[in-house]
Amino acid sequence: DSGVTQTPKHLITATGQRVTLRCSPRSGDLSVYWYQQSLDQGLQFLIQYYNGEERAKGNILERFSAQQFPDLHSELNLSSLELGDSALYFCASSAGLLGDTEAFFGQGTRLTVV
Amino acid sequence: AQKVTQAQTEISVVEKEDVTLDCVYETRDTTYYLFWYKQPPSGELVFLIRRNSFDEQNEISGRYSWNFQKSTSSFNFTITASQVVDSAVYFCALTGWTGFQKLVFGTGTRLLVSP
Repeated sequence: DSGVTQTPKHLITATGQRVTLRCSPRSGDLSVYWYQQSLDQGLQFLIQYYNGEERAKGNILERFSAQQFPDLHSELNLSSLELGDSALYFCASSAGLLGDTEAFFGQGTRLTVV
Repeated sequence: AQKVTQAQTEISVVEKEDVTLDCVYETRDTTYYLFWYKQPPSGELVFLIRRNSFDEQNEISGRYSWNFQKSTSSFNFTITASQVVDSAVYFCALTGWTGFQKLVFGTGTRLLVSP
């Protein structure tokens, strides 16, 4: 158990809908990262937050947004969903900068858009 | 730009065989870190090792060992006496001074260990 909790584990929704994925980082970790894993794109970095502030953005679509709350949990919002958004979405957390520490990943949320 | 290449898409071995998973990286950073993660069939990503660019010593942890060679930009992972439970997808990843906020992952190597 990595200590990173993601809910829900599975989500099935229709095209055009909006969903929210939730992540609770390991106790004490200030950094939260979101990654998308799909068959064609592999593991892609989406966005990073540190202590409530956005710090880095990757290949995140404009239809996607995220935030980190004062209690350090994070949410990833996906809207106007398309079939191609079906993927495994991972949240990870780390105590500090990657390299100084490692990132621990949650079990992921498997999103299926039908 | 940073890049990680795992040329082996899938490897099949029989239990007790040794197996080496290759990882080649590209970065312009002089300070960088390399990682290996395991993704078993259950889907989670499990951290295995972190290594910085200044430490080229090989590391051994039980049946696992890692060989880091800056001269060839490689960070290879060897499993000795493989077991069925080692069956998983293994990812090599990189972060560097220009992007300590993110991990750049390779495409992964699927290891199948049969009894």
